[in-house]
Amino acid sequence: GDSVTQMEGPVTLSEEAFLTINCTYTATGYPSLFWYVQYPGEGLQLLLKATKADDKGSNKGFEATYRKETTSFHLEKGSVQVSDSAVYFCALNSGGYQKVTFGTGTKLQVIP
Amino acid sequence: DAGITQSPRHKVTETGTPVTLRCHQTENHRYMYWYRQDPGHGLRLIHYSYGVKDTDKGEVSDGYSVSRSKTEDFLLTLESATSSQTSVYFCAIRRDSENTGELFFGEGSRLTVL
Repeated sequence: GDSVTQMEGPVTLSEEAFLTINCTYTATGYPSLFWYVQYPGEGLQLLLKATKADDKGSNKGFEATYRKETTSFHLEKGSVQVSDSAVYFCALNSGGYQKVTFGTGTKLQVIP
Repeated sequence: DAGITQSPRHKVTETGTPVTLRCHQTENHRYMYWYRQDPGHGLRLIHYSYGVKDTDKGEVSDGYSVSRSKTEDFLLTLESATSSQTSVYFCAIRRDSENTGELFFGEGSRLTVL
């Protein structure tokens, strides 16, 4: 079945540091890939997405590229801010309305 | 804002009592989902619905039931709550026009079973 593996957290970075959160997946066919972000006390919200191989999703300075050859969708940001502190979830949908599969989440803490 | 409201937002109950969580949407989309969020597990699907009175089980459905008598409301019921059901529950919708699987989430309902 479908699965998503993302790096264990928490990740602690200083402000303006470079961020990478790794995500790899297993899925049938050609899934759509997502990064969701969850701020404290809130629900998840979509950060970015990519629907086919080599697509790059981007939003709020975050980027991720759909790499089919390595089955990866790593999240990157060049310079993190304190306001980026949150939990980040990688997810996929391999088709149909039944299910979106989520990773376990990676908590990011950015310190001034 | 996808117009999703969950209630109650917080609830403390005792083992063996029934609990119902409500998800209300204002946009009348077909697909609605209930997930639970637990440390180390991410989000896991409990039940989903693809229309009025059309529901199906997710990966962690044991101990839960759902009902959808109106498009806008999706209810999650714990018939007899157990401590293992202490969790944060999220409702989500998928917009009918959305083909990629993108979900929109409510703010969550934190349930504590003592």
